Amino acid sequence: QQQVKQSPQSLIVQKGGISIINCAYENTAFDYFPWYQQFPGKGPALLIAIRPDVSEKKEGRFTISFNKSAKQFSLHIMDSQPGDSATYFCAASRTSGYSTLTFGKGTMLLVSP
Amino acid sequence: ETGVTQSPTHLIKTRGQQVTLRCSSQSGHNTVSWYQQALGQGPQFIFQYYREEENGRGNFPPRFSGLQFPNYSSELNVNALELDDSALYLCASSSGGARISTDTQYFGPGTRLTVL
Repeated sequence: QQQVKQSPQSLIVQKGGISIINCAYENTAFDYFPWYQQFPGKGPALLIAIRPDVSEKKEGRFTISFNKSAKQFSLHIMDSQPGDSATYFCAASRTSGYSTLTFGKGTMLLVSP
Repeated sequence: ETGVTQSPTHLIKTRGQQVTLRCSSQSGHNTVSWYQQALGQGPQFIFQYYREEENGRGNFPPRFSGLQFPNYSSELNVNALELDDSALYLCASSSGGARISTDTQYFGPGTRLTVL
C-alpha cells in the first residue's frame, strides 16, 4: 500500500518559472512532512519540512503548502534555476512514539536554461 | 564535521550470495537508519539502530539484518541475495534516538548493489 502518492513523475520547467510538485497521504496519524532533494550519485538531503499546525512554510525560493482536510501538501520552487534540477521526494511520518519516514516515488525536475 | 559515509560505492553479487554494506554516521549522531531505494522509487525503510539495538523495522524479511557498533557505525547484511535486492542502499544518521521523525536524517551517498 502506497501511503504517500507523489505527482508528477517528471517535470520540465523553464528557468525563472515555478515548479510545483504535489503529494497526498492516507494515514491521518502523519504529522511531519519533509521534502528531500536528491542529485545523481548523492543521498537525499532535507530541503524543507512542515507540521500540520501551519498551512504554509517558506524558506527562500522553496515553499510548502499544506491542506490538512484534503490530506495534501505541495512544494513550490519559485524562480526555478538549472541548479534545482534534481529528484524531489516528499515524505511523511508521525512525531509521537517511534516512526519512520514514508517516501513518495519522487519527481524528476529538469529546469531548462 | 564529517558527513555520513558508506562503503563500498558499488557492488556486484550473484543470486544466493551474502553481502555486507557499511556506514559511518555523522559525528555526534547515535542513530542509524537503513533504506532501500529501487530504481525510480523513493527510499523504503529497512530498519533503524539506536545505541547498538534494533529500534524498528520495515517490511523486509529476516535475511536483512544489521549491526551497530559502539562508535555508532553500522552494517547492513543481506543473505541469500535475490535479483530484486538490486537497489541503492542508503544509510541515514540522526541524533534523535527513538524519535527519528523529529530529527533531521542525514543521508550518505549510498551503495549501489547489483545482483546477477
